[in-house]
Amino acid sequence: AQSVTQLGSHVSVSEGALVLLRCNYSSSVPPYLFWYVQYPNQGLQLLLKYTSAATLVKGINGFEAEFKKSETSFHLTKPSAHMSDAAEYFCAVTSYGGATNKLIFGTGTLLAVQP
Amino acid sequence: SQTIHQWPATLVQPVGSPLSLECTVEGTSNPNLYWYRQAAGRGLQLLFYSVGIGQISSEVPQNLSASRPQDRQFILSSKKLLLSDSGFYLCAWRMMRNTGELFFGEGSRLTVL
Repeated sequence: AQSVTQLGSHVSVSEGALVLLRCNYSSSVPPYLFWYVQYPNQGLQLLLKYTSAATLVKGINGFEAEFKKSETSFHLTKPSAHMSDAAEYFCAVTSYGGATNKLIFGTGTLLAVQP
Repeated sequence: SQTIHQWPATLVQPVGSPLSLECTVEGTSNPNLYWYRQAAGRGLQLLFYSVGIGQISSEVPQNLSASRPQDRQFILSSKKLLLSDSGFYLCAWRMMRNTGELFFGEGSRLTVL
């Protein structure tokens, strides 16, 4: 079975500060990992994905994440927070292998950006 | 390009009333389709998924059902709503055998009173 754990349901940073959102995964097979962002009352938008190529993945809006197998982590970072980054962020895991593979989500981290 | 649409965006229903949420995907064929529910503070819960017309897999036993009458149409239904059915419902799709990412609709906010 696969799972993800997002440490910290709420994170607050100042505008211009580093954003670090933590995600640890559990998977018995090589995982595919994703970060999604959700703005209030909207669907989820894919930020970036790791699919066994480069371990440092760059996404939209200046975000990036690094896959660390030894730590079973896939933390999301952004060097300088912007007010527009305030949203909820979800980490998710799946594995490649068939039509019925499901995406398993973490419980989300709500990011607040203070002026 | 592919698009996904859900409707209605918002609805308020009394306990015991029926429910029908619809989702359609355009610009692709034979997608995998998914219904998720997002309740406050509980992340995303997978309710149903479908790999083809008439093929529905249920993840959580509950008061809801799903149907896929056409290749790119996915419907979430209930005969009698419960208070606990309130939440934000998200439809999603992905291509078969791709790298696994889902593409989500705009969501439907259901409040059961």
